[in-house]
Amino acid sequence: DAGVIQSPRHEVTEMGQEVTLRCKPISGHDYLFWYRQTMMRGLELLIYFNNNVPIDDSGMPEDRFSAKMPNASFSTLKIQPSEPRDSAVYFCASRLALGSYNEQFFGPGTRLTVL
Amino acid sequence: GENVEQHPSTLSVQEGDSAVIKCTYSDSASNYFPWYKQELGKRPQLIIDIRSNVGEKKDQRIAVTLNKTAKHFSLHITETQPEDSAVYFCAALNQAGTALIFGKGTTLSVSS
Repeated sequence: DAGVIQSPRHEVTEMGQEVTLRCKPISGHDYLFWYRQTMMRGLELLIYFNNNVPIDDSGMPEDRFSAKMPNASFSTLKIQPSEPRDSAVYFCASRLALGSYNEQFFGPGTRLTVL
Repeated sequence: GENVEQHPSTLSVQEGDSAVIKCTYSDSASNYFPWYKQELGKRPQLIIDIRSNVGEKKDQRIAVTLNKTAKHFSLHITETQPEDSAVYFCAALNQAGTALIFGKGTTLSVSS
C-alpha cells in the first residue's frame, strides 16, 4: 500500500482564492482525519469522518473551511476564501476502526502559503 | 473535550544524555496514549504507545510511563543520538474514543 496520499504537496495562493486539498486514505481504513499544523498551535484536529460520514467538525476554525468525503477513497478540505492566517501544513490521516488502538497513519502533508 | 498539555516546548541535550518529555491530559476516561516523532519536513510517525492497563512500556532506548491517577504520561529517551533530533508529540484519545488529540509538541535537539 502506498500509504495516505495527499495532493498537492505545496500550494501557494493569494488571499481570497479558493483552495482545495485532497486526500486518499489507506485502503480499508474506516476513519479519516484532517489536522492543521502551525508553530503556535501544534497539531489541531479539524474534522474527522467514519465510513465517509463527518463525525466531529468542532475543530473547523470558520465557515470558510469545509470538508467532504464522497467515497471511502477520497476526501477534500476546502478553504474559501483563503486568508494569510490559513498558512500552515495540513495533514490527512487514517486508521482502522476495529478497536480504539489501531495506529493512525499520516499523509505527507500539504504546505499551504496564502499571500 | 480532551485537552493535552505537553512540556517542555524545546529541549536541548548532549549526545548520550537522557531526555524526558511530559504530558498531562484532562479526560479521565482516556485509555490510549501514543507518541509520534516528526522529523524536519516529514510526517508524524508513531514510535511507541501505551494503554491504560499498563504503567510502563519499553522499546530499546525509549520508554513511556503512565500515571492514571495524576493523568500524566511521559516519554523517556536514553542514550540520545543526533538522529533523535525531531519534534515529539504526545496524544490521547478524545472522549468518544475515536480521535487523537495532540499536545503542541516538543522540539528535541541532540548535539554531538
